[in-house]
Amino acid sequence: SQQGEEDPQALSIQEGENATMNCSYKTSINNLQWYRQNSGRGLVHLILIRSNEREKHSGRLRVTLDTSKKSSSLLITASRAADTASYFCATVISGGSYIPTFGRGTSLIVHP
Amino acid sequence: SAVISQKPSRDICQRGTSLTIQCQVDSQVTMMFWYRQQPGQSLTLIATANQGSEATYESGFVIDKFPISRPNLTFSTLTVSNMSPEDSSIYLCSVEDQLGSNEQFFGPGTRLTVL
Repeated sequence: SQQGEEDPQALSIQEGENATMNCSYKTSINNLQWYRQNSGRGLVHLILIRSNEREKHSGRLRVTLDTSKKSSSLLITASRAADTASYFCATVISGGSYIPTFGRGTSLIVHP
Repeated sequence: SAVISQKPSRDICQRGTSLTIQCQVDSQVTMMFWYRQQPGQSLTLIATANQGSEATYESGFVIDKFPISRPNLTFSTLTVSNMSPEDSSIYLCSVEDQLGSNEQFFGPGTRLTVL
């Protein structure tokens, strides 16, 4: 099974609303990352949060990490139609391979 | 940040044939990574390609099926051999942003359909 599992699998909202996606994982991590993928193209790195961090911001993005619950959330505020994409969390396991392991992703549709 | 290009961007191939995908990076990198993304699925790492040595394959992937070349620090190829419809996927190459950062830069992907 995947190390990271996103929830929900699909999310449909109106422009201007906030979008929240969650990621749960199974083993201890060194860091957790979020990526965006537009229309089956390459992934774009959004943000990395380390295991000793609880929250990070980047523009309209806010990522939280709760290591006690082994979960993370990605919040996109004031969403735009251009935010329509798939969002993946990826984990780098503590003491393991430094290469991120990806979850199945959340498909976000933002209606104009 | 690295700029990565892939060729071809997409292809439709017949069962039993092979396709070689090229990945070009605009800077020298130690390691390049090849991923497969099956329809509606996550990314699965196929192998790590180091310059001057054999690629390191993940469980479930073998060199005979996915031979990889890494002739220099800016280029790699992945061949999908003896294709079947189950090989229909997006194939992506990536590099690590900065050594030790764990962040990955991805190419635009190659969308492969096998009939």
